[in-house]
Amino acid sequence: DADVTQTPRNRITKTGKRIMLECSQTKGHDRMYWYRQDPGLGLRLIYYSFDVKDINKGEISDGYSVSRQAQAKFSLSLESAIPNQTALYFCATSDSGTHRVNEQFFGPGTRLTVL
Amino acid sequence: GENVEQHPSTLSVQEGDSAVIKCTYSDSASNYFPWYKQELGKGPQLIIDIRSNVGEKKDQRIAVTLNKTAKHFSLHITETQPEDSAVYFCAAEFAFGNEKLTFGTGTRLTIIP
Repeated sequence: DADVTQTPRNRITKTGKRIMLECSQTKGHDRMYWYRQDPGLGLRLIYYSFDVKDINKGEISDGYSVSRQAQAKFSLSLESAIPNQTALYFCATSDSGTHRVNEQFFGPGTRLTVL
Repeated sequence: GENVEQHPSTLSVQEGDSAVIKCTYSDSASNYFPWYKQELGKGPQLIIDIRSNVGEKKDQRIAVTLNKTAKHFSLHITETQPEDSAVYFCAAEFAFGNEKLTFGTGTRLTIIP
């Protein structure tokens, strides 16, 4: 089945460490997104990419960076992790080539803990 | 900026009863309103959506209603079952948001057997 996968699924790291979260998809979608989920705050957009050469900041991009290595791969980096970046991170995709361009498909999430 | 408010944050319903979750949005030009269901340990999954040219949409036991004048939309689940227990998120696509979605804060629905 066409899918969205995230690695790692769980990660514990220390303050100041650099960490990368990876997302891959076999759906053939051109658009990819990174969100973080915190209790009581819902899903907030960190970065999004509409194609390989397109990178855009979301509402909470400070402290994060991204790389779109290929249409199927979108990585999120924390250059120097801090405890308030402890959260559940989701990657999502959508397809601009259909009339349902707004429908987003989410990966299973990465639970990140920064000590 | 764009804002979506969702209520309640938690909801417990007896199995077989109905559940209603409500959301309000800030931009009157918003045109697309999806609902996502997140089961434990999984990512959110789209369960139903509605566009601004429609007032109501139904799919089996779930339905969504939209009131553009009041800028609110609601999710209705009838004949609730244990598998309906999950976190539900509403979202809105704002008119000048470049097809991005803004999500509500989520509702944890628990179905009591």
